[in-house]
Amino acid sequence: QVHLLGSGPGLVRPSETLSLTCTVSGYSISSGYYWGWIRQPPGKGLEWIGSMYHSGSTFYNPSLKTRVTLSADTSKNQFSLNLTSVTAADTAFYYCARHGFLDRIDLWGQGTLVTVSS
Amino acid sequence: EIVMTQSPATLSVSPGEGATLSCRASQRITSNLAWYQHKPGQPPRLLIYAVSTRATGIPTRFSGSGSETEFTLTISSLRSEDFAVYFCQQYINWPFTFGQGTKLEIK
Repeated sequence: QVHLLGSGPGLVRPSETLSLTCTVSGYSISSGYYWGWIRQPPGKGLEWIGSMYHSGSTFYNPSLKTRVTLSADTSKNQFSLNLTSVTAADTAFYYCARHGFLDRIDLWGQGTLVTVSS
Repeated sequence: EIVMTQSPATLSVSPGEGATLSCRASQRITSNLAWYQHKPGQPPRLLIYAVSTRATGIPTRFSGSGSETEFTLTISSLRSEDFAVYFCQQYINWPFTFGQGTKLEIK
């Protein structure tokens, strides 16, 4: 069975960089699929952040594109999110997920709450 | 980007009854629509994709319909485990966008 487990700091200072990692078990990220991040601020809707293929092809939400970088470490079967210059508006549950190219999201990770506060 | 609008925001239904949730896209998305169920403390779960195809393990009481810009998720004979938030998503184009969700609560 395939599982996605997100990890990272639960608290980030304003103006700093939010860094999260998703560890995939039960499936090699090099075997296919796109691997992405979606977030949900408390009490609000879902926002797709971006997705990547293991080879490096990436797609980002234009609203976040200037601050987001996705990367993968295939040796560890992990992919990561870096979001720079965070503000309180970036406080959210962050989910890692798997999907095909322009396709439904068939697997979601548990979700990591990240709070931006000094 | 494509805006997805769900209605109603909250739906109160008694167990055993049926529920109909709506999702509208701001432009044609043909059949590139999915529905997810989200319960507190759990990751979202894929219910329906390609408008009407149930994901693996999803009970037949969940069904989807619609086309182009208007879509519906129907849940027949609600069970206690069905009370959750449901949201739709389009995947015809980047960026993926989601509806704001419909909270299905026990009446």
